[in-house]
Amino acid sequence: GAVVSQHPSRVICKSGTSVKIECRSLDFQATTMFWYRQFPKQSLMLMATSNEGSKATYEQGVEKDKFLINHASLTLSTLTVTSAHPEDSSFYICSASFREPYEQYFGPGTRLTVT
Amino acid sequence: GQNIDQPTEMTATEGAIVQINCTYQTSGFNGLFWYQQHAGEAPTFLSYNVLDGLEEKGRFSSFLSRSKGYSYLLLKELQMKDSASYLCAVSGGNYQLIWGAGTKLIIKP
Repeated sequence: GAVVSQHPSRVICKSGTSVKIECRSLDFQATTMFWYRQFPKQSLMLMATSNEGSKATYEQGVEKDKFLINHASLTLSTLTVTSAHPEDSSFYICSASFREPYEQYFGPGTRLTVT
Repeated sequence: GQNIDQPTEMTATEGAIVQINCTYQTSGFNGLFWYQQHAGEAPTFLSYNVLDGLEEKGRFSSFLSRSKGYSYLLLKELQMKDSASYLCAVSGGNYQLIWGAGTKLIIKP
């Protein structure tokens, strides 16, 4: 149980375009979903936390207009990287939690390369 | 401030035992998690401790001392596939996890 999927697994896009990443909880309804990014050999960096039906809470330094998060249902959250630039190239990972002690279950991640 | 410390890298031999330590200072505490992350993959949940003591799960055990702000992950009978990063994370009580930078474990034959 507690499976989270993420799509796409890899995406290459041109600078200036937008990319949407989907995160789905397949066998449970997620109370909260989280979006992280991870640069090579670095730790996870939380970007934002979202609850279904409400606005996402962004971490300091994360531009909410650049990284649009939509948490439309208890099983789906999307992250849109708008006007992507090469420095946005990273590994983006979503996670979801639904019950105490609220451990987070991670999707497989999306590797974004902006050329 | 909130801080989680764990060693950057450790090396161990196949078949041996290794202990990965984690110390934390957080404003709240609702439990401590250990995750495993293989290179290029997302983290996977290993263990959760909220009470003092040792939790054993097969070859992996996790220990917590809340008074000392200390935890360790113990891996026994090491296998090559255990080569990965091990992340310590503390729940501060608001659903969010405060993450350590991770310990890269290298297993040698």
